[in-house]
Amino acid sequence: NAGVTQTPKFQVLKTGQSMTLQCAQDMNHNSMYWYRQDPGMGLRLIYYSASEGTTDKGEVPNGYNVSRLNKREFSLRLESAAPSQTSVYFCASLYGTGVIEQYFGPGTRLTVT
Amino acid sequence: TQLLEQSPQFLSIQEGENLTVYCNSSSVFSSLQWYRQEPGEGPVLLVTVVTGGEVKKLKRLTFQFGDARKDSSLHITAAQPGDTGLYLCAGANSYGKLTFGQGTILTVHP
Repeated sequence: NAGVTQTPKFQVLKTGQSMTLQCAQDMNHNSMYWYRQDPGMGLRLIYYSASEGTTDKGEVPNGYNVSRLNKREFSLRLESAAPSQTSVYFCASLYGTGVIEQYFGPGTRLTVT
Repeated sequence: TQLLEQSPQFLSIQEGENLTVYCNSSSVFSSLQWYRQEPGEGPVLLVTVVTGGEVKKLKRLTFQFGDARKDSSLHITAAQPGDTGLYLCAGANSYGKLTFGQGTILTVHP
């Protein structure tokens, strides 16, 4: 199993450009999450999807949209990138029964100039 | 909104020393996880504690969940350079949402 995979690994955008971050998991997990990580602020939840066909806002959703394409894939879109969105983005998945444990992808380092 | 305060933010110690990282909240969590993250990689789950007062050991790492399930600690005995990294605590609510602490950057010098 590859676990949680993310593409791309690195990306540089100019202000106003758009892009989509891709995430896929092969663990048959129900729930998927997008976080951003900034120095000194831990991980902050952007959006999550508790199951296929549903999405909900997290702590910092402004400027982002998501699509739960199927059970495996959960994408994050920046429609008009801003320098404040420079960050490292992590996707995670969770099985959701019993003990709560999330498994993370390797991250996408995004720089917006 | 649940908050989780993690301390200290930075820890720089010599090989062989002991250390403790703390996570505190005014909220009750259904479980609490500890993660370790290395540069350029995603967080990797170390342990999950579920029951108030629970203690789990992973080699030289000891994790404790507070009796009221509002706080947790990570104790490392005889730290080694390979322990260097970012340590994150995360409290889970019953819906599977995690609240992360700010993280502790640990550097262990040979």
